[in-house]
Amino acid sequence: KNQVEQSPQSLIILEGKNCTLQCNYTVSPFSNLRWYKQDTGRGPVSLTIMTFSENTKSNGRYTATLDADTKQSSLHITASQLSDSASYICVVIPGGSYIPTFGRGTSLIVHP
Amino acid sequence: GAVVSQHPSWVICKSGTSVKIECRSLDFQATTMFWYRQFPKQSLMLMATSNEGSKATYEQGVEKDKFLINHASLTLSTLTVTSAHPEDSSFYICSQHIGQVSNEQFFGPGTRLTVL
Repeated sequence: KNQVEQSPQSLIILEGKNCTLQCNYTVSPFSNLRWYKQDTGRGPVSLTIMTFSENTKSNGRYTATLDADTKQSSLHITASQLSDSASYICVVIPGGSYIPTFGRGTSLIVHP
Repeated sequence: GAVVSQHPSWVICKSGTSVKIECRSLDFQATTMFWYRQFPKQSLMLMATSNEGSKATYEQGVEKDKFLINHASLTLSTLTVTSAHPEDSSFYICSQHIGQVSNEQFFGPGTRLTVL
């Protein structure tokens, strides 16, 4: 069964600090992996998309890494801001399909 | 990127009534749109795949007679929750994929349904 596991479930950090969110998946075959940011009561917004051949991708203060061999990905947030408070969702798309498998998300709270 | 809108953004209804949620693709024609449901602190769960001009494909466990999906045009898909009950209260999100096996997926802003 295709699964996407995220850790930690929740995280509280101080403004300005860095943090790293983890995503492990069992989806196979694999097409691409995406990280989304979902603000409370809003739809998810794409941060990064990586295919199996990509190891890292950045989008401003967000940097995603991917190890397709170990089936692990991480999202690193640099110099966190209050507006980074949200749920971060790891989504994996199987090969040959457009049906995604969603992780439960990591709830990030950035305190001033 | 593509813009997807949903209407209404939130709705409160009495138990037993039906509620229609609209999902519009504002700048791209979408032959396929997807409907998700999200309960608090849970991940998005795919409910059904909405195909323009044909019947929707429902995921296992989703009642097609309760969640009516219509994809009448390339820019509009609707989800109707019939005879809503309190357990149907949830956050409903549609998404649009670009391409057959897409690297781009755009989500709508979601609709919060509360059934009293």
